[in-house]
Amino acid sequence: DAGITQSPRHKVTETGTPVTLRCHQTENHRYMYWYRQDPGHGLRLIHYSYGVKDTDKGEVSDGYSVSRSKTEDFLLTLESATSSQTSVYFCAISESKGTAQGNEQFFGPGTRLTVL
Amino acid sequence: SQQGEEDPQALSIQEGENATMNCSYKTSINNLQWYRQNSGRGLVHLILIRSNEREKHSGRLRVTLDTSKKSSSLLITASRAADTASYFCATGFQKLVFGTGTRLLVSP
Repeated sequence: DAGITQSPRHKVTETGTPVTLRCHQTENHRYMYWYRQDPGHGLRLIHYSYGVKDTDKGEVSDGYSVSRSKTEDFLLTLESATSSQTSVYFCAISESKGTAQGNEQFFGPGTRLTVL
Repeated sequence: SQQGEEDPQALSIQEGENATMNCSYKTSINNLQWYRQNSGRGLVHLILIRSNEREKHSGRLRVTLDTSKKSSSLLITASRAADTASYFCATGFQKLVFGTGTRLLVSP
């Protein structure tokens, strides 16, 4: 978890309220990712960023938006939280390497979000 | 949809035994990665194997890759209680797609 922090670590909110989760890195890595983890589904990519102000959708992006105004920060926003968004959210970072080398991702400690 | 599917979903063994878990994927790949997740923690990268490699070792870990069968296996030798965790395979380049994982329980 070194070099990546997530805040808050736990949050309970009510349906319909906006929620913002923050990921902060000190590694100066180019790529940042938001995943959600649910039982039976493993990790699923929500959004990712390949540079400041450069973002793209992942597999489960509906209901989520992201912003990256600085290299070190990647924000995930639930505009109007729903109970189906109750999950554990993980941020990850990676650096850019060649295709054959692949890109090892480094994960933050996670945020447990409960939407009542 | 998941690119990788791990098998078995859960595995329970005694300390000292070997643990083998398998991953199958659907499309051609450049490389495949394995990650470990301890309960309540983020994932930790274990090993990466390239598509032109058949086997790779790292300490007590041995990974094999069979691109003709679109499958990979992770072998943990001489397991320890500290190996208790969930293990995930992942494929892709910048955007990784993870399998659903194998939960490994190693009993003392």
